[in-house]
Amino acid sequence: GDSVTQMEGPVTLSEEAFLTINCTYTATGYPSLFWYVQYPGEGLQLLLKATKADDKGSNKGFEATYRKETTSFHLEKGSVQVSDSAVYFCALSDRGRRALTFGSGTRLQVQP
Amino acid sequence: NAGVTQTPKFQVLKTGQSMTLQCAQDMNHNSMYWYRQDPGMGLRLIYYSASEGTTDKGEVPNGYNVSRLNKREFSLRLESAAPSQTSVYFCASSEREGRHTQYFGPGTRLTVL
Repeated sequence: GDSVTQMEGPVTLSEEAFLTINCTYTATGYPSLFWYVQYPGEGLQLLLKATKADDKGSNKGFEATYRKETTSFHLEKGSVQVSDSAVYFCALSDRGRRALTFGSGTRLQVQP
Repeated sequence: NAGVTQTPKFQVLKTGQSMTLQCAQDMNHNSMYWYRQDPGMGLRLIYYSASEGTTDKGEVPNGYNVSRLNKREFSLRLESAAPSQTSVYFCASSEREGRHTQYFGPGTRLTVL
């Protein structure tokens, strides 16, 4: 079945550092890929998405590229801020599937 | 446009009590979902409704029932709460099943003593 694997957290960075959160997936079809962000005490918000191979999703300085050859969708940001501290979830959704398949989440802590 | 709303935000139950979690969306979406979030496990699908009048089990349906009351509303019922159901519950909706973006509510934090 479909699955998503994310790097273990927490990831602790200083402000203005470069961020990478790794995400790899297995899927039988051609899924859409998503990154969701969850700020403390809140629900999940869509951060970015990509629907086909080589697509790049971007939002708020975050980027991720759909790599079919490596089955990856790594999240990157060039310069993190304290306000980026949150839990980040990678997810996929496949045609004919009932719902999203989530990774376990990666907590990011950014220190001033 | 409120998106997806959930009530209540917090709830404490005793073992064996029942309750219903309410969810509503105003985006005219066809599909709605209930997930639970537990530490280190991401989100797991409890039940979903592909369209008005249909419901189906997800990954972890035991101990829960659902009702798709109309296109806007999708409720989750715990008939006899157990401590294992202590979790954060999220409702979500999407235009249709499959590869469409899901939009989430703010969640309900449930503790069963």
